[in-house]
Amino acid sequence: KAGVTQTPRYLIKTRGQQVTLSCSPISGHRSVSWYQQTPGQGLQFLFEYFSETQRNKGNFPGRFSGRQFSNSRSEMNVSTLELGDSALYLCASSLRQGMNTEAFFGQGTRLTVV
Amino acid sequence: QKEVEQNSGPLSVPEGAIASLNCTYSDRGSQSFFWYRQYSGKSPELIMSIYSNGDKEDGRFTAQLNKASQYVSLLIRDSQPSDSATYLCAFYSGTYKYIFGTGTRLKVLA
Repeated sequence: KAGVTQTPRYLIKTRGQQVTLSCSPISGHRSVSWYQQTPGQGLQFLFEYFSETQRNKGNFPGRFSGRQFSNSRSEMNVSTLELGDSALYLCASSLRQGMNTEAFFGQGTRLTVV
Repeated sequence: QKEVEQNSGPLSVPEGAIASLNCTYSDRGSQSFFWYRQYSGKSPELIMSIYSNGDKEDGRFTAQLNKASQYVSLLIRDSQPSDSATYLCAFYSGTYKYIFGTGTRLKVLA
């Protein structure tokens, strides 16, 4: 069974540019969450999608956005990139929402903003 | 107060010993708890989930949950150098997100 697939694995962008990251969840999983991981802050929640609806959003500026498609694949977009956006962006896939549901991470996309 | 507290370490244990990793959380309503292992430069890998008070064993790993004390721990028996990684404690918040601790770095000395 294929795991969570994130593309691309690595990105180098210039300040002011925008970027789109993609996540394909485990087959049958309908919930996708996004996290930003930096050495100082650990894993910070960005947003969660279920059945194409954003259910929760973390404390990030509006430059961070996302969406989920009918096949549960998800994308996140960061516009007007800043140096501080350099991080590992992780997507997690869950079978459903709610308690007692395990989340599985993809390999991540490492974004470097120069 | 942070929602999940973990000692950042490093926790150093000799090969073959038991490694004990601890985590406290602030949300009394939390029901679902998880331990992830993250190797340097890699993504987190789920190793244990626990939902009820008490112990849950899986191979060399045992998770322990005490909801009254808001405390969850992970024991690794017969620690191996390959267990050297950062271990993240997490819980499901009930608002469609998981809350993670910043992790404890474990070093198993050969």
